[in-house]
Amino acid sequence: DTGVSQDPRHKITKRGQNVTFRCDPISEHNRLYWYRQTLGQGPEFLTYFQNEAQLEKSRLLSDRFSAERPKGSFSTLEIQRTEQGDSAMYLCASSRGLAGEGEQFFGPGTRLTVL
Amino acid sequence: AQTVTQSQPEMSVQEAETVTLSCTYDTSESDYYLFWYKQPPSRQMILVIRQEAYKQQNATENRFSVNFQKAAKSFSLKISDSQLGDAAMYFCASLEYGNKLVFGAGTILRVKS
Repeated sequence: DTGVSQDPRHKITKRGQNVTFRCDPISEHNRLYWYRQTLGQGPEFLTYFQNEAQLEKSRLLSDRFSAERPKGSFSTLEIQRTEQGDSAMYLCASSRGLAGEGEQFFGPGTRLTVL
Repeated sequence: AQTVTQSQPEMSVQEAETVTLSCTYDTSESDYYLFWYKQPPSRQMILVIRQEAYKQQNATENRFSVNFQKAAKSFSLKISDSQLGDAAMYFCASLEYGNKLVFGAGTILRVKS
């Protein structure tokens, strides 16, 4: 296992289309996180899972966004009816261990461009 | 709510010299963690160094060390003997119980040969 992987790495879509991203965490990690990073800024937290349970969602995660982690392994992030403001890098990270102690390992990200 | 501030948008350092990146944070918690992450251009983010707030001793990882001033809520990163491979965006981040990282806006570090 070489780390967190994300697919696709790049996605170009037209406004109004739906898109889905996938994240595969490090296999023994029970926590999985989604962040959004716009150009020149630090990542912003979107949501996180412990195993299959979604434990926290940011106010940034509008009704058009949904995330799942059905079997506590990989996760998907879906954006419905994309808007130009959704253009960003979407980062996934995973960690293990007790709350606050686990280093978060980041994937390479999915860069979304909404035309 | 946690906030993290990096007041230096960009820094430059000569190869083999030392540079310090600044970070201040705000939290209402007594127990928390602080991190510096490195994000090279078009590459994924990696952890440089972490500090646990209850530990008074400053963390050190090879050429990287921190100056953690808990009362002042300051957490600076010192890079010694700078190398060309250190050029990247550096993010300071804090983590309270609940696991979400809060990042600063980042500092671009340029290394001159």
